[in-house]
Amino acid sequence: EVHLVESGGGLVQPGGSLRLSCAASGFTFSTYTMNWVRQAPGKGLEWVSYITTSSGTTYYADSMKGRFTISRDNAKNSLYLQMNSLRDEDTAVYYCARDSASGSSIFDYWGQGTLVTVSS
Amino acid sequence: EIVLTQSPATLSLSPGERATLSCRASQSVSSYLAWYQQKPGQAPRLLIYDASNRATGIPARFSGSGSGTEFTLTISSLEPEDFAVYYCQQRNNWPITFGQGTRLEIK
Repeated sequence: EVHLVESGGGLVQPGGSLRLSCAASGFTFSTYTMNWVRQAPGKGLEWVSYITTSSGTTYYADSMKGRFTISRDNAKNSLYLQMNSLRDEDTAVYYCARDSASGSSIFDYWGQGTLVTVSS
Repeated sequence: EIVLTQSPATLSLSPGERATLSCRASQSVSSYLAWYQQKPGQAPRLLIYDASNRATGIPARFSGSGSGTEFTLTISSLEPEDFAVYYCQQRNNWPITFGQGTRLEIK
């Protein structure tokens, strides 16, 4: 069974940094492209970032470019999101989501999410 | 960036009724549109991909249609567990974008 478990969320001050992790199990992680999607409290879904299987290609939403870095460690079956220069508006639940097939951008499995709160 | 506009924002119906949710794209997304269901405190769940294909394990009462800029999610006969928020999502162009959601509530 596919499982995605996020961790690393918490309270951080504006301008601070946080690194999120997503532990994958139940499938061959190295063969799937992966994403981060976020949801601000009471709001809709917002795609954050994408990474290919070999980490050779990454994409970001415009508001995260230059501040967030997606990465993965296929040996550890893990996906990461390094978030720097955090702003109040980055407060959200962050989900990792698997593409149904490499590069599909069809999100067939999601983790339960980890809450990031940016506040002074 | 492709903007997806969902309507209505809220839909109030009773169990057993038919639900029709709409998603309009600011430019063509071909058939590269998906629908997700989200219940309170839960992650989204994939329902429909590529406009009309049901995801694994999704009941047949859920169906999708459309292409280009106009898409519809239909729930043929509402079950109590169907009351949730529904999002459309396009994968035709980067960045991936979602609609703002339609809340389906019990009347």
